[in-house]
Formats: sequence, C-alpha cells, structure tokens
Amino acid sequence: LAKTTQPISMDSYEGQEVNITCSHNNIATNDYITWYQQFPSQGPRFIIQGYKTKVTNEVASLFIPADRKSSTLSLPRVSLSDTAVYYCLVDSEYGNKLVFGAGTILRVKS
Amino acid sequence: GAVVSQHPSWVICKSGTSVKIECRSLDFQATTMFWYRQFPKQSLMLMATSNEGSKATYEQGVEKDKFLINHASLTLSTLTVTSAHPEDSSFYICSARPRLLRGTDTQYFGPGTRLTVL
Repeated sequence: LAKTTQPISMDSYEGQEVNITCSHNNIATNDYITWYQQFPSQGPRFIIQGYKTKVTNEVASLFIPADRKSSTLSLPRVSLSDTAVYYCLVDSEYGNKLVFGAGTILRVKS
Repeated sequence: GAVVSQHPSWVICKSGTSVKIECRSLDFQATTMFWYRQFPKQSLMLMATSNEGSKATYEQGVEKDKFLINHASLTLSTLTVTSAHPEDSSFYICSARPRLLRGTDTQYFGPGTRLTVL
C-alpha cells in the first residue's frame, strides 16, 4: 500500500478556492487516488476518485500529474460547512483495505 | 446509492458487558466489509477486514477474541466488543466495498457508533 503525505492543516476564508496536495511517491500502476471528507463524529464521506489527469464532480476537482506521484484536491468557493478533515488515500483496482493517514484539517473562516 | 448504515449510533454500557454493533449495506452487496476505530482527534485505524462467509482478518495488535466479527451475508457484518472496558470506549466505523462483476469500487462508510464504557 502506497503511503500518502498531506499537510496537517490549512486555513481559508469563505468564498476562496482551496487546494490540498497529497504526495504518494510509491503509487502502483493499478492504484487510484481517492479523497474522503470527515466531520466530527461522522463516518468519512467519499468526495472524488481519479486515476490520472483531471476529474471533476459537483463538489470538487482532482488534478493528477502524469507521473501520478501527487494529486491535488480542489474545492471551489469553500464555505464554513467545508470545515472538516480531508483524507487522501491510494486504493488499488484489485485492492482491499484502505489505510488512513493523518489527514488535513481544513478550517474555513468567515 | 451506496449507503451504509450502522446500529446503534451510540451505546453506553457497563464494564464487563458485551456490545454488538451492526453494519449494513442498504442498496448494494458488499464483497468485503471493514471495521475501524477512531479515538478523539486521531485518524481512523483499521481493525479488521471481513469477507462474507469466511473468518475476518485482523490487523496487528487487534485482539480477535475481544473484537468478534461476523459477516453472515453480503449486506451485514457485526462487531461484538466482548467484556468491554473503559479503554474500549471509542468511535467505531464500518465500511463496505461494493461487489462488482469486474474490478473494484471504492469503500463507503457508515455513520459510526459511539461506544462509551463506564
């Protein structure tokens, strides 16, 4: 399982775009990058998953460069309700378990 | 789609008693279910991997006789904390990975169960 590294915390203001970068130097060919969001006393919520280039859904975008050794989660125009912990994980196509790192605490201020 | 439920959402019990937590995939069949534990201000720690019809695989340091896992069907897994003690108080979260004909899907997480042992 590829290990991931992401910033411990980030601060932002409402309405700004937030980019959280994750490094996964040992990512394997069959691995996907998956991001989850977790609020206190709740289970993680799936945000987005990608393999390469760019993926966009209704809540976020995920940018993955050609070497796939890093990825960036982009949250457009954050609001106070986006304050949460964000986890970057590497998931194998034939994979099984996920191993969570420390995650990034995002604090959005008004 | 891809909803996972847990029951109960919270439980308070006396030291020495056993507590059962249920995890259900509501709208899909799960090849594999996972159990995590999360202490305050910490990340999720994987406890065990549960495959339908077979014995669970426990992570290093997790006592299999204390945390009994049963995965009787493709939509239900249970975690029983036996002879619970205050140090077992934690937030227990399950997840399920949908069963696909080819490849794999990501994991979907339940809302968690807060266990407090007095």
